[in-house]
Amino acid sequence: TQLLEQSPQFLSIQEGENLTVYCNSSSVFSSLQWYRQEPGEGPVLLVTVVTGGEVKKLKRLTFQFGDARKDSSLHITAAQPGDTGLYLCAGGRAGNMLTFGGGTRLMVKP
Amino acid sequence: DTEVTQTPKHLVMGMTNKKSLKCEQHMGHRAMYWYKQKAKKPPELMFVYSYEKLSINESVPSRFSPECPNSSLLNLHLHALQPEDSALYLCASSHGGDTQYFGPGTRLTVL
Repeated sequence: TQLLEQSPQFLSIQEGENLTVYCNSSSVFSSLQWYRQEPGEGPVLLVTVVTGGEVKKLKRLTFQFGDARKDSSLHITAAQPGDTGLYLCAGGRAGNMLTFGGGTRLMVKP
Repeated sequence: DTEVTQTPKHLVMGMTNKKSLKCEQHMGHRAMYWYKQKAKKPPELMFVYSYEKLSINESVPSRFSPECPNSSLLNLHLHALQPEDSALYLCASSHGGDTQYFGPGTRLTVL
């Protein structure tokens, strides 16, 4: 069974601070997806990374896929209240299915 | 266009009711999924359809019955549900690779 450990589970920070969320596994994934979800809504895809060592930037968000494709990180620079939400990582596995991490609940206070 | 639509947005039903959830995508995706999500938890996979055929059933109780009428539509028929089935039900689709696009979900409450 492929597991994804996501940390931290909960993060409360002030506007303007930086933060990093981690997803770690002992298994290799074919890709890694990051989603952001607001209460009562579906997850919204932020990025897909597929190559070991890949780094993608989306405005203030930086995503990294580990060289061995077993881990990933999401770094947010100068967090804003609009970044508040549940961040989910999901690893691609056989059969076009995803293994989800447990989620990181981020609260950014003004 | 990466839109997956779901109806209804909210649904309240009794334990003896029969209802259906609907999902639609027009991205030409050949894989479609149903997930169940409880509060503060990640989505849990229920069913996978590939090329309109059920390929995966994650041991879901028979009171949930999926249907894929065509490549753009996915239904989830509900009958004799229990209060513990109350959750956010999510539909997703993918082109065949790993990336899945999710709909906005249906918030289901079983009384």
